[in-house]
Amino acid sequence: GAGVSQSPSNKVTEKGKDVELRCDPISGHTALYWYRQSLGQGLEFLIYFQGNSAPDKSGLPSDRFSAERTGGSVSTLTIQRTQQEDSAVYLCASSPQGRYNYGYTFGSGTRLTVV
Amino acid sequence: AQSVSQHNHHVILSEAASLELGCNYSYGGTVNLFWYVQYPGQHLQLLLKYFSGDPLVKGIKGFEAEFIKSKFSFNLRKPSVQWSDTAEYFCAVNAGNTGGFKTIFGAGTRLFVKA
Repeated sequence: GAGVSQSPSNKVTEKGKDVELRCDPISGHTALYWYRQSLGQGLEFLIYFQGNSAPDKSGLPSDRFSAERTGGSVSTLTIQRTQQEDSAVYLCASSPQGRYNYGYTFGSGTRLTVV
Repeated sequence: AQSVSQHNHHVILSEAASLELGCNYSYGGTVNLFWYVQYPGQHLQLLLKYFSGDPLVKGIKGFEAEFIKSKFSFNLRKPSVQWSDTAEYFCAVNAGNTGGFKTIFGAGTRLFVKA
């Protein structure tokens, strides 16, 4: 597609429920990144994909968080048993290269609110 | 571990004033440096980037940044700001080709330009 597409744009969920966030990167971009932006905070790195594999999962906050990427394209970030501290904007970005960073193209994000 | 520090969380300027936003990073090796901007209601977009060569980098909309290796700094400048520059600005660093492929972001600086 023309840009990085994320869905849903907004999600309100009850504490304890599972949520799935979707990212559709720019066609042909091999690298895909998930970040989290909390109010007043910078962007917190969550996970990086190169193709379908995830060489760096170091930013996932707990084992409630997981992500996968299929076909070298769409990625889903799953949060199980959501907690209020999971409320944030979840951003997805893609780039044409993973090794030499040419800068990211970001999606508009998914605003997650856990009530 | 890499980190990025942005000195000012909020900056208020009048139109035509000069702008300098500070950014320092901690990493001793080769770095790639970026400034991203997020205009109100829009997604993050790349403003400018430095990989190598001339340490003074020109970006879009009249912005520039200077890489000073000895100071571990990459400050963003603009000689004369406009009301339309009101946005949040993020400095980011990627540790070249050895530090993993994730980019670390600063906490951001909110710039408000008074008309």
